[in-house]
Amino acid sequence: TQLLEQSPQFLSIQEGENLTVYCNSSSVFSSLQWYRQEPGEGPVLLVTVVTGGEVKKLKRLTFQFGDARKDSSLHITAAQTGDTGLYLCAGAADSGGSNYKLTFGKGTLLTVNP
Amino acid sequence: EAGVTQSPTHLIKTSGQQATLRCSPISGHTSVYWYQQALGLGLQFLLWYDEGEERNRGNFPPRFSGRQFPNYSSELNVNALELEDSALYLCASSFDTNTEAFFGQGTRLTVV
Repeated sequence: TQLLEQSPQFLSIQEGENLTVYCNSSSVFSSLQWYRQEPGEGPVLLVTVVTGGEVKKLKRLTFQFGDARKDSSLHITAAQTGDTGLYLCAGAADSGGSNYKLTFGKGTLLTVNP
Repeated sequence: EAGVTQSPTHLIKTSGQQATLRCSPISGHTSVYWYQQALGLGLQFLLWYDEGEERNRGNFPPRFSGRQFPNYSSELNVNALELEDSALYLCASSFDTNTEAFFGQGTRLTVV
């Protein structure tokens, strides 16, 4: 069974600070997705990374896929209160990317205080 | 364009009862997925329906079942409810299994 460990589990920071959250596994994934889930809502896809070493940027968010495709990180620069939410990573085991085969981590709950 | 809609938003049931949760996918999407998000456990895959057929199910007991209707909407049934079934149940839909899946807001099921 493939597992994705996310750390930290909880993170509370002040607006304007930088932060990094991690998603680690002992298994290789063909691709990895990052989602943000706000209270009372379903997860929303932020990015998909597919190539080892790949870096993708989405405004103040920077996503990196590890060279060995076993881990990923999400870095947020100058966090804003609107970044508050549960950040989930999900890995696809095969190149087919079948949605039902995604393995989800438990998430990092980020709170950005004004 | 309407997103994935789920109903009801909240549901409270007693142990042993049955619960029925409903999901309407995005127009044009034929694949529907159900996930359970229990506290501290992350999202666990439950069921995948495509073109009216159950294509795959996760590691859940048979009392979790469902169906997909001709209009691609879907229903999740949970029989003989247990306290541990309390969770947020999320439905997602996609054009096909390899394209981005969009999630609904979920149904919060509480078993007392």
